[in-house]
Amino acid sequence: SAVISQKPSRDICQRGTSLTIQCQVDSQVTMMFWYRQQPGQSLTLIATANQGSEATYESGFVIDKFPISRPNLTFSTLTVSNMSPEDSSIYLCSGVDRAGGNEQFFGPGTRLTVL
Amino acid sequence: QKEVEQNSGPLSVPEGAIASLNCTYSDRGSQSFFWYRQYSGKSPELIMSIYSNGDKEDGRFTAQLNKASQYVSLLIRDSQPSDSATYLCAVLMKTSYDKVIFGPGTSLSVIP
Repeated sequence: SAVISQKPSRDICQRGTSLTIQCQVDSQVTMMFWYRQQPGQSLTLIATANQGSEATYESGFVIDKFPISRPNLTFSTLTVSNMSPEDSSIYLCSGVDRAGGNEQFFGPGTRLTVL
Repeated sequence: QKEVEQNSGPLSVPEGAIASLNCTYSDRGSQSFFWYRQYSGKSPELIMSIYSNGDKEDGRFTAQLNKASQYVSLLIRDSQPSDSATYLCAVLMKTSYDKVIFGPGTSLSVIP
């Protein structure tokens, strides 16, 4: 299975600022996703990170707020822009290797607190 | 209708019993289904995947899939206190693009 790392693992930020989260996979994956998990909740898909093109966003999420890059098959970034306390959450990166049966593996997550 | 639904919890079972977790999904074209376990403060961990109708067994875990009923379940036999966690059902949906959607999760407590 793919090993996924994220950084930072956690951060405390002031409202109005932005934070970029990095996700690195140790092998090539066909799909990468970004999820948000608010306290006591399940995972909500933010977007699919597409290599070399604009991400595909789910309803309720927009590029201006959550810009995503994926310059190659093993790396992606998610920026949380103009943060407010409502953005406090855990952000998770995941990768799917179709050759591995579409199984999805997760990074350790980034715990974000916005004051 | 939500895309992926799970039986509401929390679910409590005594140690050694069978825990039964259920999941339904709305996209009839879905072909890949997954069960994840998530301990508090940790990221989800894949425990089972299933793609064909019927049962798939892996140790104490059995996943069951019925595509006609759009239903997938997870049975945990001989439940242990270490199985206490939240179990997430996930479905790979093939719309105009592929995406994996998670259910709300079921919290399981195994009582010694």
